[in-house]
Amino acid sequence: QVQLVESGGGLGKPGGSLRLSCAASGFTFSDYWMSWIRQSPGKGLEWVSYISGSGGDTKLYADSVKGRFTISRDNAKNSLSLQMNSLRAEDTAVYYCARVGTLAQAGTVDFWGQGTLVAVSS
Amino acid sequence: DIQMTQSPSSLSASVGDRVTITCRASQGISNYLAWFQQKPGQAPKSLIYAASSLQSGVPSKFSGSASGTDFTLTISSLQPDDFATYFCQQYYTYPPTFGQGTRLDIK
Repeated sequence: QVQLVESGGGLGKPGGSLRLSCAASGFTFSDYWMSWIRQSPGKGLEWVSYISGSGGDTKLYADSVKGRFTISRDNAKNSLSLQMNSLRAEDTAVYYCARVGTLAQAGTVDFWGQGTLVAVSS
Repeated sequence: DIQMTQSPSSLSASVGDRVTITCRASQGISNYLAWFQQKPGQAPKSLIYAASSLQSGVPSKFSGSASGTDFTLTISSLQPDDFATYFCQQYYTYPPTFGQGTRLDIK
C-alpha cells in the first residue's frame, strides 16, 4: 500500500536551515508529481511546493517560500526532499509530504504522509 | 489567489444525523474541488475529488455536489468515526487553496 514517511523536522532558528525528507513506497514514485503542504494553527493548510514526476523538471513554490525553500526528488531512492533556508517564525507548522493525483485528480492530493513538525524559534 | 470559504466553521450533530458542509469559491473553479477529512493528531485523508468523485475505499455515505461556485459535502447516517474536521480545496488554478475547515462535533 502507499506509504509516505517524513523525517527531518525539529527546532530551527530564525535564519537557519532544515532539510525535510520523505520516503515513498507502495507505488511507482517517478510516475507521480509530489508536493509539500504545511499546516499551522494560525494559517490552516497551505500548499508549499510541487515537483513534477520523472525528471522533476517542473518545480512550483508558494510566494511565501519562494527563494528560500527548494524541493527535489531522487527517483532512484523513492525520496522527496525540502531544503528550508532562511527560516522564519511563520514557517512553524506541520509539514506533510503528499502524492499528487493523476487525471481528474491532477493538482490535488490522493495520499498524505503523517507529517513532521517544524518549529522555528530562537 | 482563489479564496475558499467554508460554512459553518463548526457544527454539532448526533449519531445517525445527515449533515451538509458548504464551500464557496471566490471565482469559478469548474469542478476542480476536493474534500478532506482530518482527525485530531492525524494527517488529512482524501475523500472526494472533482467535486463528486469518491476516492477509492471511501464509503458512499460521503457525497459531493456542485452548483456554480458553491460546493457541498454531505455525510449521511453519522457514525462516531465521522466526527472530525473537513476541508475543501480548489485545484483549478495555482496556487491550490484550502478552506479554513469545518469541525464536526458530537452533540
